[in-house]
Amino acid sequence: AQTVTQSQPEMSVQEAETVTLSCTYDTSESDYYLFWYKQPPSRQMILVIRQEAYKQQNATENRFSVNFQKAAKSFSLKISDSQLGDAAMYFCAYRSAETSGSRLTFGEGTQLTVNP
Amino acid sequence: KAGVTQTPRYLIKTRGQQVTLSCSPISGHRSVSWYQQTPGQGLQFLFEYFSETQRNKGNFPGRFSGRQFSNSRSEMNVSTLELGDSALYLCASSPQGLNGNQPQHFGDGTRLSIL
Repeated sequence: AQTVTQSQPEMSVQEAETVTLSCTYDTSESDYYLFWYKQPPSRQMILVIRQEAYKQQNATENRFSVNFQKAAKSFSLKISDSQLGDAAMYFCAYRSAETSGSRLTFGEGTQLTVNP
Repeated sequence: KAGVTQTPRYLIKTRGQQVTLSCSPISGHRSVSWYQQTPGQGLQFLFEYFSETQRNKGNFPGRFSGRQFSNSRSEMNVSTLELGDSALYLCASSPQGLNGNQPQHFGDGTRLSIL
């Protein structure tokens, strides 16, 4: 079974600065997908960024980028130029590409606070 | 395009009762998954339905069940409610049939409180 670990329960950053959220995972599979979701107080889980394991290039989406280290099974999220609206709970998630279905395995989450 | 719609948004029940939660996926999405979110256990996968068939199942007791209709709408049912069933129940939909890289899109969830 796959597991996802987020070792930082809480993080804080000053507005306009950069913050990195950590995520490690454990799997015996070679083909999979990794995701970062954010969950603001409104509760809806919003996709931030995704990475396919077979792609060596790190994914980027505007101010969000990842550092994907497949051998180390690490998948960190970097948020540049942090904004107040980035404050939320961030979840790292894993999905197998070797079995059918869309099942996600989530980490425990990191609560991000953005200070003005 | 409308997002994933979950109803009701809030629900209060007492122990021993049963409850049915509803989820309407994004139009064209055929896969619907359900997750339970609690402060203690985090986000846990309940089950996934695709084309009216359960495709995956998490590690929950048989009191938790679900189904999917021909229009892809899904319901989950919890019978004989326990205090520990108090949680946010999230539904997510995605378009893919076989493996694909399409991400899941989540609804706002149903907050279930058991008294």
